[in-house]
Amino acid sequence: DIVMTQGALPNPVPSGESASITCQSSKSLLHSNGKTYLNWYLQRPGQSPQLLIYWMSTRASGVSDRFSGSGSGTDFTLKISSVEAEDVGVYYCQQFLEYPRTFGGGTKLELK
Amino acid sequence: EVQLVESGGGLVQPGRSLKLSCVASGFTFSNYGMNWIRQAPGKGLEWVAYISSGSSYIYYAETVKGRFTISRDNAKNTLYLQMTSLRSEDTALYYCARAARDVMDAWGQGASVTVSS
Repeated sequence: DIVMTQGALPNPVPSGESASITCQSSKSLLHSNGKTYLNWYLQRPGQSPQLLIYWMSTRASGVSDRFSGSGSGTDFTLKISSVEAEDVGVYYCQQFLEYPRTFGGGTKLELK
Repeated sequence: EVQLVESGGGLVQPGRSLKLSCVASGFTFSNYGMNWIRQAPGKGLEWVAYISSGSSYIYYAETVKGRFTISRDNAKNTLYLQMTSLRSEDTALYYCARAARDVMDAWGQGASVTVSS
């Protein structure tokens, strides 16, 4: 199974500052078709997860451009510029390259 | 509006069975694969199972293989998860999620399952 490992944030993050969340996969998620099968989700307190980013760097419909994804085949970063109150929650990376689909352990974002 | 509504959760004794349902609306259910994902109390997300749009392809997490069965009824716009031989470690909030190409782009609100004597 592909193991997804997420880093922690130096919480709390001051409002208006940027925050970067890291994720590492145990296997390259770069497919031969050129797509990197890494997704990011946000789970706000008391809510279901919602899709933020797919194919490593493509924002889902309706997602603020304050969110951006980048990386290589095994190392990924979700950057949130100018953190706002609505960004609070737990962020999960997920690989979609193969089954079983696996998630990172989550990274909690708290606001100062 | 895409909606997924889970039901069927509850308190069940170890070793017993439970069947979850997920009713879909707001999209053509028969065109999409579907997933079950669970979240133990205070823990992260764990993918459980996937079924393709026509039920031809089915995959399970090793932790539930042989005990859980995913199925669907496209005529009823409903996804199911039959859970047998339940264990305490199966206690979780169970989400159904739509599989749109390479993402899970819509999630239900979850059904709570507690396995305890």
